[in-house]
Amino acid sequence: RKEVEQDPGPFNVPEGATVAFNCTYSNSASQSFFWYRQDCRKEPKLLMSVYSSGNEDGRFTAQLNRASQYISLLIRDSKLSDSATYLCVLYTNAGKSTFGDGTTLTVKP
Amino acid sequence: EPEVTQTPSHQVTQMGQEVILRCVPISNHLYFYWYRQILGQKVEFLVSFYNNEISEKSEIFDDQFSVERPDGSNFTLKIRSTKLEDSAMYFCAGNTQSLDEQFFGPGTRLTVL
Repeated sequence: RKEVEQDPGPFNVPEGATVAFNCTYSNSASQSFFWYRQDCRKEPKLLMSVYSSGNEDGRFTAQLNRASQYISLLIRDSKLSDSATYLCVLYTNAGKSTFGDGTTLTVKP
Repeated sequence: EPEVTQTPSHQVTQMGQEVILRCVPISNHLYFYWYRQILGQKVEFLVSFYNNEISEKSEIFDDQFSVERPDGSNFTLKIRSTKLEDSAMYFCAGNTQSLDEQFFGPGTRLTVL
């Protein structure tokens, strides 16, 4: 079983749509959780940190469920500029990071 | 806003040659990382580095790889004898606390011929 499993995608949605991504993880020692976005041939950039209490940043909402070992990302009112690959990332206290395979989102006019 | 920089942006080398990839992290960062991403594949962790020592390394980071931060600014990844399968984008990253978000450099594209 992979350490991090993401929705395989791709997701193709119209502008204004709401889209949700899920990510499950197997290492219960994981300490920090993040969603990064990666544009084609660019470096990953932080989108949001993910907490058990849930957090929201504008159109983006992230949630962590430690008991079920999954994290989610919800994007409301999708924009063309949201088109990217979304990466689920976990860190352990030992300094090791694990990335998911990524879920590609294409928002179409 | 401070940024992580990496040089060169693209390195082409012959199989068997040594390469050194360079990174200048953000000045107040204490933890440093190297990742690689083969074209079309996921980002893979290579190594983490703190207090001039390797904290953690992956199975990919074998004896052909080494890292150092000799002068307190540059953070380098050396590949001693490159193989064709080392062709990838290599990203450097850093943070102030090991569990905080990491800031990535723009990457070095390594092509091994």
